[in-house]
Amino acid sequence: DAGITQSPRYKITETGRQVTLMCHQTWSHSYMFWYRQDLGHGLRLIYYSAAADITDKGEVPDGYVVSRSKTENFPLTLESATRSQTSVYFCASIRDTGELFFGEGSRLTVL
Amino acid sequence: AQSVTQLGSHVSVSEGALVLLRCNYSSSVPPYLFWYVQYPNQGLQLLLKYTSAATLVKGINGFEAEFKKSETSFHLTKPSAHMSDAAEYFCAVSERSQGNLIFGKGTKLSVKP
Repeated sequence: DAGITQSPRYKITETGRQVTLMCHQTWSHSYMFWYRQDLGHGLRLIYYSAAADITDKGEVPDGYVVSRSKTENFPLTLESATRSQTSVYFCASIRDTGELFFGEGSRLTVL
Repeated sequence: AQSVTQLGSHVSVSEGALVLLRCNYSSSVPPYLFWYVQYPNQGLQLLLKYTSAATLVKGINGFEAEFKKSETSFHLTKPSAHMSDAAEYFCAVSERSQGNLIFGKGTKLSVKP
């Protein structure tokens, strides 16, 4: 089915480890986004990408790295995980009419 | 700079009662406005969007929202709540058709039998 697939859906890791969250879309939308969702903060933008090889920082980029070598993939890497990065992460892509389509989320726990 | 304020982090209504979720926005240009719904352990789904075509926007599941420029508001309503409407609702604003969306902090709707 067409859509956005995130993996893993659930991940437990330890402080200091590297973690990569994967995001794959089947529509070939140009723009893709990574948000984190935390109680009391709603959704906050981490990074976004306008096209392959074009990425830019959002509101809360520190501690995260992204890449986009192919239009359909937009992985998010936590280079050295911290407890404050425990969150639910959502990947999204945007249609040319402006609607965001979201994946089902990746719930990350950093111990 | 854009911003969104959702009044009330929790709203509780009885089944069959009117649902009113409030959203006020700030934008330096004519905005694109959205309402999204999130059910537990799921991603966000689009309920409706405003893109300047009509001030009253109808969405899925019987929801609608009215854009009021003078009040910088985009409140979400549904005449009669259903148990299945219990979820978290997010208002969002963008200044471009494919720009980043700025989200409010969300309003959790509870529906009592």
